[in-house]
Amino acid sequence: KAGVTQTPRYLIKTRGQQVTLSCSPISGHRSVSWYQQTPGQGLQFLFEYFSETQRNKGNFPGRFSGRQFSNSRSEMNVSTLELGDSALYLCASSAPPGGGETQYFGPGTRLLVL
Amino acid sequence: AQSVAQPEDQVNVAEGNPLTVKCTYSVSGNPYLFWYVQYPNRGLQFLLKYITGDNLVKGSYGFEAEFNKSQTSFHLKKPSALVSDSALYFCAVRVGNNRLAFGKGNQVVVIP
Repeated sequence: KAGVTQTPRYLIKTRGQQVTLSCSPISGHRSVSWYQQTPGQGLQFLFEYFSETQRNKGNFPGRFSGRQFSNSRSEMNVSTLELGDSALYLCASSAPPGGGETQYFGPGTRLLVL
Repeated sequence: AQSVAQPEDQVNVAEGNPLTVKCTYSVSGNPYLFWYVQYPNRGLQFLLKYITGDNLVKGSYGFEAEFNKSQTSFHLKKPSALVSDSALYFCAVRVGNNRLAFGKGNQVVVIP
């Protein structure tokens, strides 16, 4: 099976712009979670989608949003970019719920905000 | 709040020696615990997990971890470290539906 894919792998944006990142889960996986990784804050949970519904949301401002499509692919959007949004954004997919399902991560999208 | 802690920043070990990366947890109820590894410019790679059952969990690439309820620990171990094991290791705990809380990570350096 193909793993989790994320596009693009690298992005450079300027402050004030917006950005959309894409994640395709492993075939058959219906849950997609997003995380932000920075040197200072480590890995932080953004949100999780299952069957096109957001089930969980982390402690991030409303500038961070996401959605999931009927084929389980997910996008996250960051509006009005700030310098502090520079990070590696990781998505993870997991198999149907079972209370212990493993999350499998993609390679990430590295975003640099100038 | 449910969390994990990785007390060391960096672990240095000689190639061929045993490798241990420490993790302690703070969870109400039964914890679901995970270990991931991250190589430079890569995503997280799943190594192993503890949900229930045997306290010794075996995972990928020769890694194993021991769940110790009395010490609230879930240390990652490998009997003989390889140079290629040099990477960043994360301990994590499930805190919601497909939501993990991660430790700060441990840089492992295996010295040839």
